[in-house]
Amino acid sequence: EVQLVESGGGLVQPGGSLRLSCTTSGLIISTYGMNWVRQAPGKGLEWISYISNSGSPTSYADSVKGRFAISRDNTKNSLYLQMNSLGAEDTAVYYCARVRSGWHVDYWGQGTLVTVSS
Amino acid sequence: QSVLTQPPSVSGAPGQRVTISCTGSSSNIGAGYAVHWYQQLPGTAPKLLIYGNNNRPSGVPDRFSGSKSGTSASLAISGLQAEDEADYYCQSYDINLSGSVFGGGTKLTVL
Repeated sequence: EVQLVESGGGLVQPGGSLRLSCTTSGLIISTYGMNWVRQAPGKGLEWISYISNSGSPTSYADSVKGRFAISRDNTKNSLYLQMNSLGAEDTAVYYCARVRSGWHVDYWGQGTLVTVSS
Repeated sequence: QSVLTQPPSVSGAPGQRVTISCTGSSSNIGAGYAVHWYQQLPGTAPKLLIYGNNNRPSGVPDRFSGSKSGTSASLAISGLQAEDEADYYCQSYDINLSGSVFGGGTKLTVL
């Protein structure tokens, strides 16, 4: 069974940093590109970052470019998102997701909530 | 403002057929990139419903179907059931943004 489990979310002050992790099981992560997608409370889905199966290339939404960094460790079947200079607009549930050819996502994690507030 | 445009809400009675539109542009759907659809029940992660414009993953009922034409796509749900009440999102890839783009989501209400 394929499972993706996010961790590392929580409450952080404005301007602070947080590192999210996504551990996977039931799949060989090195074969697939991966996305981070977020959803603010009561809002829609927002793609924020992609990383290829090898780690390069990567891409970011304009809303997080320069502040967030995606990375992966295929030896640990894990995906990461380093988030810096956080603001209230970054408050959301963050999902890691497996990307297939054609850019669709076939597996999602359960999400981890990040709350930016003083 | 989402790159892909969906109606905020649609509704239908049990047994009826509804469609949800998704309008993009020449840098995403119109550029030939496939459209995918997701269903999200309250408090849960999205679930892949349609991929590659009109393909259903294993386990998705054939009541769900997708189509694409030009810069737009549609999701059709026939034989509406109460359990179909959820939020639906379209997604594609945008060459100018070098990343995936989502529609704003459509809330389906089964009357």
